[in-house]
Amino acid sequence: AQSVSQHNHHVILSEAASLELGCNYSYGGTVNLFWYVQYPGQHLQLLLKYFSGDPLVKGIKGFEAEFIKSKFSFNLRKPSVQWSDTAEYFCAVVRPNNQGGKLIFGQGTELSVKP
Amino acid sequence: DGGITQSPKYLFRKEGQNVTLSCEQNLNHDAMYWYRQDPGQGLRLIYYSQIVNDFQKGDIAEGYSVSREKKESFPLTVTSAQKNPTAFYLCASNSGANVLTFGAGSRLTVL
Repeated sequence: AQSVSQHNHHVILSEAASLELGCNYSYGGTVNLFWYVQYPGQHLQLLLKYFSGDPLVKGIKGFEAEFIKSKFSFNLRKPSVQWSDTAEYFCAVVRPNNQGGKLIFGQGTELSVKP
Repeated sequence: DGGITQSPKYLFRKEGQNVTLSCEQNLNHDAMYWYRQDPGQGLRLIYYSQIVNDFQKGDIAEGYSVSREKKESFPLTVTSAQKNPTAFYLCASNSGANVLTFGAGSRLTVL
C-alpha cells in the first residue's frame, strides 16, 4: 500500500535557523505531492504542491520543496524560520489518476520556533 | 467567502451513543472526504464521496457511516461500534485538481 513517511516528529529551532523537514513516499509511479500546514487553532491549509515540471517548487511564506524522484522524496525547506512558523506540517501524496483524489498523509512534524 | 463549515466544533459523547458531525461546503466541489487526525498518526481517511449518492470506504471506515444526499453536505456518523472515537475529525473537499480545502474540524471526546 502507498505510504508517506515524515522522519521528524518534533523539531525545535531558534528564529533565523534554517529548516528542512523530510518526506518520503512509497509509490513508484507518477505522483502529485503536497505540503500542508496547520497553525495553532487554524484550518489545515496548503503550503505548496508539485504536479510536474520544475522539481523545485515555491510556496507561501518563503517555503520551498524539492522533488527528487530517484529518492522518492519531497523535503520542505525554509532558509530562515520565524516564530510564526510554529505549526504542524504534513506531507501528502496522491496518484494523479487515482479515482477519488484520495490523499495519503504522513504522520506530521510539529515545528516549534523559539523567539 | 467559499469554504467548508464543520459543526459542532466540540462534542462530548457517552459510550454507546451515536453522534453525527456536520460538514457543509459552498465551493461547488464534487468530491468530499472525512479524515481522522490523531497525535503522531497524521490524517487517516475514513470515507470519501466523489459524487452525490455515492461514497466509498477509506482506510479506517469501521464504526463510521456517511451519507451524501446533497452536493453541499457530507455528514459523518460515529457509531457505538467505533472502539476509540475520541479524535479530531476533519472534513475536506477537492477542487478537482487534487487540492483539498479543509474545514476547521470537530473534536469528539467520549466520556
